[in-house]
Amino acid sequence: GAGVSQSPSNKVTEKGKDVELRCDPISGHTALYWYRQSLGQGLEFLIYFQGNSAPDKSGLPSDRFSAERTGGSVSTLTIQRTQQEDSAVYLCASSSQGGVGYTFGSGTRLTVV
Amino acid sequence: QKEVEQNSGPLSVPEGAIASLNCTYSDRGSQSFFWYRQYSGKSPELIMFIYSNGDKEDGRFTAQLNKASQYVSLLIRDSQPSDSATYLCAVIGSSNTGKLIFGQGTTLQVKP
Repeated sequence: GAGVSQSPSNKVTEKGKDVELRCDPISGHTALYWYRQSLGQGLEFLIYFQGNSAPDKSGLPSDRFSAERTGGSVSTLTIQRTQQEDSAVYLCASSSQGGVGYTFGSGTRLTVV
Repeated sequence: QKEVEQNSGPLSVPEGAIASLNCTYSDRGSQSFFWYRQYSGKSPELIMFIYSNGDKEDGRFTAQLNKASQYVSLLIRDSQPSDSATYLCAVIGSSNTGKLIFGQGTTLQVKP
C-alpha cells in the first residue's frame, strides 16, 4: 500500500477483555515496529520485526502483550486481559532495508474502561 | 538516566525567530540521529536525519550533531505558526539494529 495502515483507528474495550490491533506496512518494507504513546508522553518501544529474524520483544511491558507478523507483512499486536494503564495510542511503523527513518501509521487509540 | 532526553517545554518563540531544540543521548556508540515532528493528534513524521558531526541544513531546518558531547539539536529559522508541534528526537544506538529510541519530545509554540 501507499502508506502504513492501522486498524481499528479507535477501540474502546472493557477492562479484562482481549484486543487485537492490526498493522499493514508499506509494501516491500522488511522492518516493522510497534510503539505506544500515552497522553503527553514520548514513544515507548514495544517490539520490532526485521525480515525473517527473531523479533526484538524487549519493550513488551508484560506477558499480556504479544505480537506476530505473518508472511513478512501484516502484523497483529494482541493485548490480553486489558488494564486501564494499557490505554494509549498504539503506533506501527515500517522501514525498508537501507532506508532512512520510519514511516508511521495513523495509530490505534485504545481506551480501556 | 533516560537513553534520550529532551526538555518537554513548551518552548515559545515569536514568529520569524529561530527556534532551538536540544537533545542528549546516553549511548556513546550511537550512530544515527533523527528529528520527527508530531502535530497534535497526528503521527510523527520524519523531518531531518544526521549521521556525522557538524551541521546539516534542509530549507529552514538545520540539524547539529556533536558526538563528543552526545548532543544533537534542531534549529528552525524564520519560525512560523505552522511549525507549532512536538519535536521528537530519536537515536539508533550502538547495537545498530534499526530500532529507534525516542525522547519525550519538546513542544514548540510559535506565536504570531
